[in-house]
Amino acid sequence: EAQVTQNPRYLITVTGKKLTVTCSQNMNHEYMSWYRQDPGLGLRQIYYSMNVEVTDKGDVPEGYKVSRKEKRNFPLILESPSPNQTSLYFCASSLEGGARGNTIYFGEGSWLTVV
Amino acid sequence: AQTVTQSQPEMSVQEAETVTLSCTYDTSESDYYLFWYKQPPSRQMILVIRQEAYKQQNATENRFSVNFQKAAKSFSLKISDSQLGDAAMYFCAYSQYGGNKLVFGAGTILRVKS
Repeated sequence: EAQVTQNPRYLITVTGKKLTVTCSQNMNHEYMSWYRQDPGLGLRQIYYSMNVEVTDKGDVPEGYKVSRKEKRNFPLILESPSPNQTSLYFCASSLEGGARGNTIYFGEGSWLTVV
Repeated sequence: AQTVTQSQPEMSVQEAETVTLSCTYDTSESDYYLFWYKQPPSRQMILVIRQEAYKQQNATENRFSVNFQKAAKSFSLKISDSQLGDAAMYFCAYSQYGGNKLVFGAGTILRVKS
């Protein structure tokens, strides 16, 4: 079954404590991306990756890091989380970049609360 | 930069009736894709329908259809014979052809009354 798996699904953490949200896909997709969802703002792209070792900033990259060492994994790293990073996070993947007519698969979302 | 606007924060519809959700977008590109996503309370993102800008014919998926007006940069979603399971947040999204991201609107909450 085609899947994008995120972990953890729910997390409450404290300001400044480094955390990583993992994302893994089983479809051999080249393109992966992270979005955050906030009320009244919809989803906004944080970072994306076109392939292994190729990453670039999206619209709201401040406070986040990513890496793409393997094709299937694209972790989102919050080095020093702050309360304004409290949000619902989605990982997404597709065969090629962007829409290009390809189906984009979303993970189930990760609720992150920073206190 | 491209933007997507959903002007209706909330909409209500009676079961079995028809409802239309509005979406406008701004772009200088001629080739792009437009999408409607459904997000039920589970927060899962479900693709409802997709429209390629070069296609004049409006996309249809069962009870869901769009009214794509390229010149007006409008992309509304019509849901016919509304069902309780249609209650969700609906997001309109844009992607430039060959682009690297989806640009989302703020969303419209649809409530279905029995």
